Amino acid sequence: NAGVTQTPKFQVLKTGQSMTLQCAQDMNHEYMSWYRQDPGMGLRLIHYSVGAGITDQGEVPNGYNVSRSTTEDFPLRLLSAAPSQTSVYFCASAIAGGLADTQYFGPGTRLTVL
Amino acid sequence: KNEVEQSPQNLTAQEGEFITINCSYSVGISALHWLQQHPGGGIVSLFMLSSGKKKHGRLIATINIQEKHSSLHITASHPRDSAVYICAVNKLIFGTGTRLQVFP
Repeated sequence: NAGVTQTPKFQVLKTGQSMTLQCAQDMNHEYMSWYRQDPGMGLRLIHYSVGAGITDQGEVPNGYNVSRSTTEDFPLRLLSAAPSQTSVYFCASAIAGGLADTQYFGPGTRLTVL
Repeated sequence: KNEVEQSPQNLTAQEGEFITINCSYSVGISALHWLQQHPGGGIVSLFMLSSGKKKHGRLIATINIQEKHSSLHITASHPRDSAVYICAVNKLIFGTGTRLQVFP
């Protein structure tokens, strides 16, 4: 199994550009989530999904959209990139949406917005 | 005040030393997670616990529900243990991490 994969690894955008961060998992996990990690702060939840067709907002959803058309994929869209979205983004998956499920993390995408 | 607080923020040790990292939380929890973030950035789950104690190799995690406190211990530390250790609760509220450096 490849586990959780993310593309790209690095990305530089200009303010106002849009892009999609890709996340895929091959473990048939129902729960998937996106986090951002900023210096001096813990990881923060952006959006999550408890199954195909179901998504919900996390702690910091503004400026991001998600969709979950398949169990495997959970892309994160930046609609109009801003410098405040410069961060490292992690996708994670878990068997189900229970609070006590082990999360498996992707390798991360480092995004810089100029 | 953060809902999950870790201490210390930074920790330096000599190889072989016994390491303790602390995590205190202020919310009700179903589970507490300890994660390890490698210098390259990858994050792996070390433990998930809701009571008592768990051990895996040289790593031991304990939790005291009444005191809302958990500790991660590393016995006989090694330079390859150098990483950021992150405490998280529920789905998921993260601490800011403890950066550990172990020198030979």
